[in-house]
Amino acid sequence: QSALTQPASVSGSPGQTITISCTGTSSDVGGYNYVFWFQQHPGKAPKLMIYEVSNRPSGVSNRFSGSKSGNTASLTISGLQAEDEADYYCSSYTSSSTPYVFGTGTKVTVL
Amino acid sequence: EVQLLESGGGLVQPGGSLRLSCAASGFPLRSYAMSWVRQAPGKGLEWLSTISGSGGSTWYADSVKGRFTISRDNSKNTLYLQMNSLRAEDTAVYYCAKGDFWSGIDYWGQGTLVTVSS
Repeated sequence: QSALTQPASVSGSPGQTITISCTGTSSDVGGYNYVFWFQQHPGKAPKLMIYEVSNRPSGVSNRFSGSKSGNTASLTISGLQAEDEADYYCSSYTSSSTPYVFGTGTKVTVL
Repeated sequence: EVQLLESGGGLVQPGGSLRLSCAASGFPLRSYAMSWVRQAPGKGLEWLSTISGSGGSTWYADSVKGRFTISRDNSKNTLYLQMNSLRAEDTAVYYCAKGDFWSGIDYWGQGTLVTVSS
């Protein structure tokens, strides 16, 4: 099972809106709503930001939103802030022999 | 407060074995599936294994199937990962995590570093 495909990097200025894509197949992202997004700051453990495509856990800012269209999921960060600078990973359940896969990761830079 | 504390990492020679432990607190361990995820230096996240709350079901990534074994002792609030036949490419930070690929992984430990080298 190959990793889900994400852009290596995305950048934006404070206050802007950015979107990170996560492309898979009909066997993972496209076939199930078990899509999750994680934020990871350097040297820290990942943090769950979005679950089941578009739901925010308690305590996560409403500046973060998720969606899905076909085989591609997206994480949108609005009102970009300096603290949003981090690596972001998508993940999905898959129907393959390895039932869970992460994306390749995207480094978000706040200019 | 949910806390996950990994231990057991360290330096091991290729072909060797290591057992990681994860002490869980702040929630009823038996009620939740638990997972292990690793991250090689400078690389992305890789899911390794998940075990159901009762321990009756387990799932593995193809990359570790047959070499790694996940287990749990709910009476001791502890999750384990037995790692055998270790290779250089297994060098990574290993994270214990609460949850699975259906409910989502909502809490992570701080990670423990495993280095496989001669």
